[in-house]
Amino acid sequence: DQQVKQNSPSLSVQEGRISILNCDYTNSMFDYFLWYKKYPAEGPTFLISISSIKDKNEDGRFTVFLNKSAKHLSLHIVPSQPGDSAVYFCAAPNAGNNRKLIWGLGTSLAVNP
Amino acid sequence: DSGVTQTPKHLITATGQRVTLRCSPRSGDLSVYWYQQSLDQGLQFLIQYYNGEERAKGNILERFSAQQFPDLHSELNLSSLELGDSALYFCASTPMGGPSYGYTFGSGTRLTVV
Repeated sequence: DQQVKQNSPSLSVQEGRISILNCDYTNSMFDYFLWYKKYPAEGPTFLISISSIKDKNEDGRFTVFLNKSAKHLSLHIVPSQPGDSAVYFCAAPNAGNNRKLIWGLGTSLAVNP
Repeated sequence: DSGVTQTPKHLITATGQRVTLRCSPRSGDLSVYWYQQSLDQGLQFLIQYYNGEERAKGNILERFSAQQFPDLHSELNLSSLELGDSALYFCASTPMGGPSYGYTFGSGTRLTVV
């Protein structure tokens, strides 16, 4: 049962253009969402998060949008840079006491010069 | 350097053997999570410890066990290893019991079972 879904395994964009990475979720109890970025042979690093009381959070070139009615969030990277090439994971803490993260399978982004 | 230290970085061992992976959390973090990432899988949650006690269990096999010591470092023990156990094993820590503050991940241990 994949509660957090990233349906695009990979995405390729040109440098300078916008990258849009999508994430869907099924559990309406999720109240917080996080995006992580992972380079090969490294652990994931926290990128940006959004609380369910907001519909947008921006941090530099990275913006996350949340559409609660559609149970959908997206990460926008503008402008995309070659150094952004990585795997991006969407995650949400479950509603239990331990708040362990439920992860999507990731989207591999390639930004071409 | 994320502040979470995992050793060893690489490990090659034979089927049937037992290995121990070690994780030192970021200073001040009480919670440690272990994850497995195989080639065709996302991050699979294995187990969580909080201040020395097991807090949550995920898809952890009975051949695997873990513990968190009084100094808060954690060890993941994998025994009777099989080829399918080859994967990246990540440890992450958070300051409190839950990840709303964001995990800090170590760089992982790549286990290859031959």
